[in-house]
Amino acid sequence: GAVVSQHPSWVICKSGTSVKIECRSLDFQATTMFWYRQFPKQSLMLMATSNEGSKATYEQGVEKDKFLINHASLTLSTLTVTSAHPEDSSFYICSARVVVASGGLETQYFGPGTRLLVL
Amino acid sequence: GQNIDQPTEMTATEGAIVQINCTYQTSGFNGLFWYQQHAGEAPTFLSYNVLDGLEEKGRFSSFLSRSKGYSYLLLKELQMKDSASYLCAVRDSNYQLIWGAGTKLIIKP
Repeated sequence: GAVVSQHPSWVICKSGTSVKIECRSLDFQATTMFWYRQFPKQSLMLMATSNEGSKATYEQGVEKDKFLINHASLTLSTLTVTSAHPEDSSFYICSARVVVASGGLETQYFGPGTRLLVL
Repeated sequence: GQNIDQPTEMTATEGAIVQINCTYQTSGFNGLFWYQQHAGEAPTFLSYNVLDGLEEKGRFSSFLSRSKGYSYLLLKELQMKDSASYLCAVRDSNYQLIWGAGTKLIIKP
């Protein structure tokens, strides 16, 4: 099946620093990847849609200058949290859009997530 | 607005059957997904329904009624490892996934 990896899995940083999270599709090419944020005991919140070779599409309320997304290749998308603050501490999860059946069924396969703690 | 409703928490006994309901109101409908999420982990895909009826996959089955805006996930022969949150998500007319808040399923011996 489709495998999506994320790196790092855990990061602790000081307030004001920038953190880059990588999302890779390991055995397939993903023209579209998604970035989610999930706070404890809450559901996934879509932050942005990342399309290879073009600018990301951000959801309402998500600051594009704070959460920089780069989808430079068909297997890699990166999310950079710039000038991180404690309120940015969260579980960040990426997913890749995958066609899972010959009938065109699409679903998303998720990376394992990255826990960010900003002190 | 768009809305997905699921029970917040359910408890069931090992070996039993449990049904997790999901009702939705979205702008358009292009499929309903169920995902399983263990604590501290990312979601994993379970099932997909786009036509009315029951889709069976091993111990898990998913049902859809588009006219009622309703789906359920049925888990049979419950195992302790089935303790997780189960997320219902609907793909709307813009092909965006709208997520429910998830149902935390607790399995007791």
